[in-house]
Amino acid sequence: DQQVKQNSPSLSVQEGRISILNCDYTNSMFDYFLWYKKYPAEGPTFLISISSIKDKNEDGRFTVFLNKSAKHLSLHIVPSQPGDSAVYFCAAPGGYNNNDMRFGAGTRLTVKP
Amino acid sequence: NAGVTQTPKFRVLKTGQSMTLLCAQDMNHEYMYWYRQDPGMGLRLIHYSVGEGTTAKGEVPDGYNVSRLKKQNFLLGLESAAPSQTSVYFCASRDGGRGATQYFGPGTRLTVL
Repeated sequence: DQQVKQNSPSLSVQEGRISILNCDYTNSMFDYFLWYKKYPAEGPTFLISISSIKDKNEDGRFTVFLNKSAKHLSLHIVPSQPGDSAVYFCAAPGGYNNNDMRFGAGTRLTVKP
Repeated sequence: NAGVTQTPKFRVLKTGQSMTLLCAQDMNHEYMYWYRQDPGMGLRLIHYSVGEGTTAKGEVPDGYNVSRLKKQNFLLGLESAAPSQTSVYFCASRDGGRGATQYFGPGTRLTVL
């Protein structure tokens, strides 16, 4: 069962504009969420996280919003840069047990110059 | 500080052959993970380890075995490879709490003919 879902396989935006990547989850026990970024031929790298006690976390150009009632989170990138072009994964620990990490299918972001 | 390394980077196997993927980390992390990434599926957890000498099953463990004889190494074995095991395999490690960031290796691309 896919407990973390990213329903948009791809997103294309113009440089300088806002990128919004979405993630939905079904397991109400999730209390922490992470976003990872992956370039081709590399492993994912951590980008930003949010605890369920917060509804927003900001780090430079990256902001993650959490809506617990809707079981939805989103990653905002402002302004978007060509170097942000990558696959973004949403993840949450605790799907299988406390040591598990569940990942979404990923969204490929393309930022056009 | 190399972080997480994986050997080999690429491998082609014939159905029924066996192989071992090696993951090594130099960050003294307790937890280590093996994931597979397939198109449209995100990363799925195969097996994980919470410390030297321990292993546990993840979401998709069938057809794989693992060993953690040394804290810094986590081996993933395929005893009899099948075409369904064609995938990109990622190793990761982490320390700290369950929400702690995972650090990923660069991946191994495995093709089973």
